[in-house]
Amino acid sequence: GQQLNQSPQSMFIQEGEDVSMNCTSSSIFNTWLWYKQDPGEGPVLLIALYKAGELTSNGRLTAQFGITRKDSFLNISASIPSDVGIYFCAARRSGGSNYKLTFGKGTLLTVNP
Amino acid sequence: NAGVTQTPKFQVLKTGQSMTLQCAQDMNHNSMYWYRQDPGMGLRLIYYSASEGTTDKGEVPNGYNVSRLNKREFSLRLESAAPSQTSVYFCASRRGEQPQHFGDGTRLSIL
Repeated sequence: GQQLNQSPQSMFIQEGEDVSMNCTSSSIFNTWLWYKQDPGEGPVLLIALYKAGELTSNGRLTAQFGITRKDSFLNISASIPSDVGIYFCAARRSGGSNYKLTFGKGTLLTVNP
Repeated sequence: NAGVTQTPKFQVLKTGQSMTLQCAQDMNHNSMYWYRQDPGMGLRLIYYSASEGTTDKGEVPNGYNVSRLNKREFSLRLESAAPSQTSVYFCASRRGEQPQHFGDGTRLSIL
């Protein structure tokens, strides 16, 4: 089946550092999404990308939809303690199976104050 | 996560017991989904409902049944719970091509 390879699996950084994580696949997708999950809660959408090459920002977060449509990355600048959580990439194809999202396994981010 | 409400938030079952997890959304979304989340596995789709009156299997449907009761509600049933079904279950909903919105999850332990 379709798989998203998300890396790194975990990161431990100091407050103020920048963070980068990415997702790759052997399949082409038409939508890439980035979610954040805080402990004990459900995933919350951070950024949605709908066009190959698209670069979108949401505050300190920036994400890009890869030109090949097989990858995406998420950057967080000047990290703060509340950035702690699990970050998931997700992707969707258009057409008959467009109701389904494929998820990466997540990146656990820890920020040391 | 306003908009998608899951009940209960926590549940402990014995092997062989049955249980229905409830999900309701008030955003008038057409599509609804059930996922399970296990450590190191990310989110895996159990069942989904593209619209009221339809349901389809996802990646890991065995041992589960679903009912799309109306446009707002989508329930997940475990007929005979097994320890392998210990997990955190998330419901999500979506309108059209918009991203999915998730509930806060049901934490289910099966002894």
